[in-house]
Amino acid sequence: EAGVAQSPRYKIIEKRQSVAFWCNPISGHATLYWYQQILGQGPKLLIQFQNNGVVDDSQLPKDRFSAERLKGVDSTLKIQPAKLEDSAVYLCASSLPRVWDTDTQYFGPGTRLTVL
Amino acid sequence: AQSVSQHNHHVILSEAASLELGCNYSYGGTVNLFWYVQYPGQHLQLLLKYFSGDPLVKGIKGFEAEFIKSKFSFNLRKPSVQWSDTAEYFCAVRHGSSNTGKLIFGQGTTLQVKP
Repeated sequence: EAGVAQSPRYKIIEKRQSVAFWCNPISGHATLYWYQQILGQGPKLLIQFQNNGVVDDSQLPKDRFSAERLKGVDSTLKIQPAKLEDSAVYLCASSLPRVWDTDTQYFGPGTRLTVL
Repeated sequence: AQSVSQHNHHVILSEAASLELGCNYSYGGTVNLFWYVQYPGQHLQLLLKYFSGDPLVKGIKGFEAEFIKSKFSFNLRKPSVQWSDTAEYFCAVRHGSSNTGKLIFGQGTTLQVKP
């Protein structure tokens, strides 16, 4: 079974530029998550989709971050404009559409963003 | 705010030594508990998980963890580590009563095993 795919793996941009990350979840997984992992910290949830609907985006900085999952499969996370503090690894995860108390998430390799 | 605390940020062991990594969480209700591992250059992988039942959970590669509800803890153990266990380990918690899959992660523990 193919895992969660993410691209690009690395991205270097200057502050105030825009950037987009792409994620393709495991086939059949209805739930998709984007996490931000700053160096030395654990991942922090930015947004969760169930099919193409948003379940939780309470920690997404909506003034500069946006995400979509238009067809309920792959997803794009965008930052516009980027700030220095956005330097992090952006992780995508997916899970089957089970009840939440048995949910297990599978993670992709991540995109390492450096903002100069 | 709910939080997960991993007591050891960096652990160095020799091969064959025993391992215990601490994890405590601050939520008093029903929880789902996870340990994830990230080997150098690889993505986060599930090591083991606890949803309900036997509080002693066995995972892959000889790891186990014990859920102690009264102590709000879910410590990871392995009786004899190998050089290949060198990795970063993350404890994560999900609120069992939540209607989302949101995981709250600890800050991680870097384990270095010397051959």
